[in-house]
Amino acid sequence: DAGVTQSPTHLIKTRGQQVTLRCSPKSGHDTVSWYQQALGQGPQFIFQYYEEEERQRGNFPDRFSGHQFPNYSSELNVNALLLGDSALYLCASSKDRGETQYFGPGTRLLVL
Amino acid sequence: RKEVEQDPGPFNVPEGATVAFNCTYSNSASQSFFWYRQDCRKEPKLLMSVYSSGNEDGRFTAQLNRASQYISLLIRDSKLSDSATYLCVVKGGNNRKLIWGLGTS
Repeated sequence: DAGVTQSPTHLIKTRGQQVTLRCSPKSGHDTVSWYQQALGQGPQFIFQYYEEEERQRGNFPDRFSGHQFPNYSSELNVNALLLGDSALYLCASSKDRGETQYFGPGTRLLVL
Repeated sequence: RKEVEQDPGPFNVPEGATVAFNCTYSNSASQSFFWYRQDCRKEPKLLMSVYSSGNEDGRFTAQLNRASQYISLLIRDSKLSDSATYLCVVKGGNNRKLIWGLGTS
């Protein structure tokens, strides 16, 4: 039973660049939520995708966008990167937008 | 006031001791509550859900106090392997969003 997978594991970008992060949900799950976790902070909700649509969004600017594919996998795109975007980006999957979420190992993004 | 607040700690606990920490929430309409555990440089993992009647899982006990709007986590007979950050998560009233605390170390 495959758990949540994310790629890449680490990424280094420079200010102004764009980045795409990928997530495959746990087998049997159809909902993907993305979180940003800065060092020493709790996860901050970015958005949630279900049935290929963004269903909820946290307080993040439009530079953060996403997509969900028919196979339930998802991408997080961040444009015009800022130094403050450096963080661990976590993907969590659930079934039918359920509360019980399973997290992937995350992608560590460093913006220089 | 933050929607979900936790004492960041750290709580330095000798092995075998009991430790308890709380998490307060501001939205009285909150419906669901969870404790997650996060090890250093790892992803959060669900520790337990918190029910109105309280629940226990081995050495871990979680309780909900709706009147005072907080949840608690009690760890008995602490072990070295319990060292982690414990994150409180609260599901909002109508918007179904999960709000995360900053964690207690």
